[in-house]
Amino acid sequence: DSGVTQTPKHLITATGQRVTLRCSPRSGDLSVYWYQQSLDQGLQFLIQYYNGEERAKGNILERFSAQQFPDLHSELNLSSLELGDSALYFCASSVGPDRYQPQHFGDGTRLSIL
Amino acid sequence: TQLLEQSPQFLSIQEGENLTVYCNSSSVFSSLQWYRQEPGEGPVLLVTVVTGGEVKKLKRLTFQFGDARKDSSLHITAAQPGDTGLYLCAGDRAGSARQLTFGSGTQLTVLP
Repeated sequence: DSGVTQTPKHLITATGQRVTLRCSPRSGDLSVYWYQQSLDQGLQFLIQYYNGEERAKGNILERFSAQQFPDLHSELNLSSLELGDSALYFCASSVGPDRYQPQHFGDGTRLSIL
Repeated sequence: TQLLEQSPQFLSIQEGENLTVYCNSSSVFSSLQWYRQEPGEGPVLLVTVVTGGEVKKLKRLTFQFGDARKDSSLHITAAQPGDTGLYLCAGDRAGSARQLTFGSGTQLTVLP
């Protein structure tokens, strides 16, 4: 158990809809990362937050947004969903934002778009 | 195009055999991490290598970071069925904000 909690585990919805994925980091971790894992693209970094502030942005679509709340949990919002958004979405957390600090991953949310 | 190329993509071996997985790039990384991921779970960090030429051992697993910090290898001695999983390398690019770039993965199956 990594200590990172993601909900829900599975989400099935239709094209055009909007969903929110939730992540609670490990106790004491201030930094949260979101990743998307698909069969054709592998594991791709989306966005990082540290102590409530956006720290780094990767391959995140404009239809996607995220935030980190004062209690340090984070939410990833996906809107105007397309079939290609079907993937596993992982959250990871680390103590701080710096290099070499290990990232601990949750078990992911599997999003299926019908 | 993947920034980090892993090979082989799939590997199926018998219990007791040795194997090596490679992670190659044309880019320099400030650090490189290896993860193992099992079905239905998130990646689990195995090791972080930071210094060019560094070798780290974790029981039957040996990790090496290339001298130029562009490549890495994972060697498993006497593989066991419990080693089965998806092995991912991930690099922290030198000079960039802290974001990991993951390789495409090596799916290892160890048959009893």
